[in-house]
Amino acid sequence: AQKVTQAQTEISVVEKEDVTLDCVYETRDTTYYLFWYKQPPSGELVFLIRRNSFDEQNEISGRYSWNFQKSTSSFNFTITASQVVDSAVYFCALSVLNTGGFKTIFGAGTRLFVKA
Amino acid sequence: DAGITQSPRHKVTETGTPVTLRCHQTENHRYMYWYRQDPGHGLRLIHYSYGVKDTDKGEVSDGYSVSRSKTEDFLLTLESATSSQTSVYFCAISSTGTAGNTIYFGEGSWLTVV
Repeated sequence: AQKVTQAQTEISVVEKEDVTLDCVYETRDTTYYLFWYKQPPSGELVFLIRRNSFDEQNEISGRYSWNFQKSTSSFNFTITASQVVDSAVYFCALSVLNTGGFKTIFGAGTRLFVKA
Repeated sequence: DAGITQSPRHKVTETGTPVTLRCHQTENHRYMYWYRQDPGHGLRLIHYSYGVKDTDKGEVSDGYSVSRSKTEDFLLTLESATSSQTSVYFCAISSTGTAGNTIYFGEGSWLTVV
């Protein structure tokens, strides 16, 4: 069975601080995809990034960076120089291919508060 | 914009009544999903579909049924709504291909069972 754990329920930082959101996943599949989504206070779910299990290269997009380590089954998300607009709930997700197609499960989410 | 429309967006219903939520997509995606979001639980998969008339259960399927008679529509039915089914329901589609599998969500349907 697959599982995604986001141990941090809530994180509070002051603007301009760096913050890392942790994600640990479990799967026996060798081929899988990992994702991060953002849910701002307005409620929509916004796709941020996808990585496949064969690509451990870290990625940077502006103030966002992601660290994928298969050895520790982790896919952590770092926001550099946080801003108030980063305040949101962030979800990590794992997708594997079942007999019936892709099945994606999510972690419980981490609520990030960025204070001015 | 992934071309996903959910209806109704908000509904209040009484315990024991049947409720159907509709998800409509315009881009011919093969995979469709229903999730529910509850505080402390994140997003939990209810059912998903990998084609017309092809569906499978997710993590929390008890009390729910689904149907997909057309590629563009994926219906979620609560046969007899209970207060524990008060939640926000998100429909999603999966964009697949050489770039891999990525889920895109609709705007959500707020369901209150009283």
